[in-house]
Amino acid sequence: SQQGEEDPQALSIQEGENATMNCSYKTSINNLQWYRQNSGRGLVHLILIRSNEREKHSGRLRVTLDTSKKSSSLLITASRAADTASYFCATDAFNAGGTSYGKLTFGQGTILTVHP
Amino acid sequence: EPEVTQTPSHQVTQMGQEVILRCVPISNHLYFYWYRQILGQKVEFLVSFYNNEISEKSEIFDDQFSVERPDGSNFTLKIRSTKLEDSAMYFCASSELGVTSGGDTDTQYFGPGTRLTVL
Repeated sequence: SQQGEEDPQALSIQEGENATMNCSYKTSINNLQWYRQNSGRGLVHLILIRSNEREKHSGRLRVTLDTSKKSSSLLITASRAADTASYFCATDAFNAGGTSYGKLTFGQGTILTVHP
Repeated sequence: EPEVTQTPSHQVTQMGQEVILRCVPISNHLYFYWYRQILGQKVEFLVSFYNNEISEKSEIFDDQFSVERPDGSNFTLKIRSTKLEDSAMYFCASSELGVTSGGDTDTQYFGPGTRLTVL
């Protein structure tokens, strides 16, 4: 698998339910960032979690990071129809020299559909 | 809230023509990036830029591509001779810092994108 792969590829839920999306990666990272993209639009930053953090919250969002498993999850609680979008994880990995220049590697994304 | 802006929102060009995509990063940010997203595919890193120099570039960023910060506010991506396969959405991003020892100052904020169509 490639750096920053999301699972599932598509998720369909009812309004009010929770949505969980997972991301796996392969190399050591400086941080992992989650983004949302509405169809054909720009990328909206949701949350950044650093490699020495295990969990982070922002409003209805909860992100976890397990560096031993090289995986992260994004939980959206009490989903709304307006949460319908594609969600991407992006990893900022260290290069061979142990430096990060902010090169983000994106996954294919999870398409979330929230039905009213 | 400060935003990254990009112009134009849509650019149509003929194969072989030069295009310049423009971005205005968030004003106190020091690191600038270009990414692209071909329709239906992943967002791909092109280049990062700091202190008037390219910090890192991908294999996609060949001699046909160049970046410039011509003044204190704009950041541009030039494609010298466009190819059909350059058709994509191009995103500019900026961050306050590249790497941080605290806070989220390396968060990358993206602009709305320029859709480039090469005919």
